[in-house]
Amino acid sequence: GENVEQHPSTLSVQEGDSAVIKCTYSDSASNYFPWYKQELGKRPQLIIDIRSNVGEKKDQRIAVTLNKTAKHFSLHITETQPEDSAVYFCAAKGDDKIIFGKGTRLHILP
Amino acid sequence: DTGVSQDPRHKITKRGQNVTFRCDPISEHNRLYWYRQTLGQGPEFLTYFQNEAQLEKSRLLSDRFSAERPKGSFSTLEIQRTEQGDSAMYLCASSLPPVYGYTFGSGTRLTVV
Repeated sequence: GENVEQHPSTLSVQEGDSAVIKCTYSDSASNYFPWYKQELGKRPQLIIDIRSNVGEKKDQRIAVTLNKTAKHFSLHITETQPEDSAVYFCAAKGDDKIIFGKGTRLHILP
Repeated sequence: DTGVSQDPRHKITKRGQNVTFRCDPISEHNRLYWYRQTLGQGPEFLTYFQNEAQLEKSRLLSDRFSAERPKGSFSTLEIQRTEQGDSAMYLCASSLPPVYGYTFGSGTRLTVV
């Protein structure tokens, strides 16, 4: 089955700087890669996703890239703000279910 | 219909007791998923339904766990003879293919004492 590895587990960046979270997946048949943001005590919220026929997607300050050959995908957050502090999960959809990474706790430092 | 609803939000139970959680998906969504999330970890897949059919169960779902979706609408997840290791957040999500993404409920936090 699918296995998703995510790193780093914790990331601290200065407000205004960029943050990058990287993930790898194992199942070459996976074709959908969502990213979720989870604030303390709340449900995971989908923030951006990418399908396997696209290499990059951008939505305001957030962008995702996908390298299918290497089975790597990444989340880039530019001009970070305090409200970006949260846990971020990458995920891959293999078969009919989404498999999540273990998460990255992002701290935005003032 | 404002989203995926889960009930109860919190449950404290004594070890050995049975518990049942309910999930009401977005009404037009025919797929319903159950995940378990422990502190500091990502959601782990437990099982999923398409309409009333349970299509896949994770190895994580021991024989103490059972899930149903009898009429293809709401779903229940029952845990029998609870153990302390069952303490976690139980998340429900729904989707409508071919839309790929899930909508999660707020979860049920189970504490086994």
